[in-house]
Amino acid sequence: DTGVSQDPRHKITKRGQNVTFRCDPISEHNRLYWYRQTLGQGPEFLTYFQNEAQLEKSRLLSDRFSAERPKGSFSTLEIQRTEQGDSAMYLCASSLAWGSRNEQYFGPGTRLTVT
Amino acid sequence: DQQVKQNSPSLSVQEGRISILNCDYTNSMFDYFLWYKKYPAEGPTFLISISSIKDKNEDGRFTVFLNKSAKHLSLHIVPSQPGDSAVYFCAASTSGTYKYIFGTGTRLKVLA
Repeated sequence: DTGVSQDPRHKITKRGQNVTFRCDPISEHNRLYWYRQTLGQGPEFLTYFQNEAQLEKSRLLSDRFSAERPKGSFSTLEIQRTEQGDSAMYLCASSLAWGSRNEQYFGPGTRLTVT
Repeated sequence: DQQVKQNSPSLSVQEGRISILNCDYTNSMFDYFLWYKKYPAEGPTFLISISSIKDKNEDGRFTVFLNKSAKHLSLHIVPSQPGDSAVYFCAASTSGTYKYIFGTGTRLKVLA
């Protein structure tokens, strides 16, 4: 399978704990995106990388959230001191950087539940 | 402020008939639009896109229409099949940014 993969698929954590999610993009894609989706809403942009550089961050990405893509391949999204409002589906997507219009391919998501 | 709106949360269509899903946007700077389909427990899957220099794009059973003056786009699926039953999201972006702004989705149910 050469699609976008995410790990874990589900995470249940207690409020105040830290969690980390991993995303492996399609191998030749050099852009990687993180989105968050809550019930009844569409995906909301969080941040994106081109290679290892984080080029844009949403104001939704509070200082408790940090994302990295250290070698320009996989990425991690960490949430520190989780809150119940962080419960959501976290989606990763990747795309090519050739030209300015390349559709993003999404992974299956990581569903986070904060109790 | 919801810049991309899908005002119909759900739609039911008979198999073989046309499905029309609608999307409105408020930001006149949007110049690229996409439709994604999402099945339960899966990520969104890209369906079709359209640039603002066009008013129609077709791919098999799927056609997207763009009316820039009305800030409206629609997705037509002809003929509809039971496997098309899913949640459909429209998304938009502007030149110079690579983030997509998504609507809230429309759940399509195609009845056999």
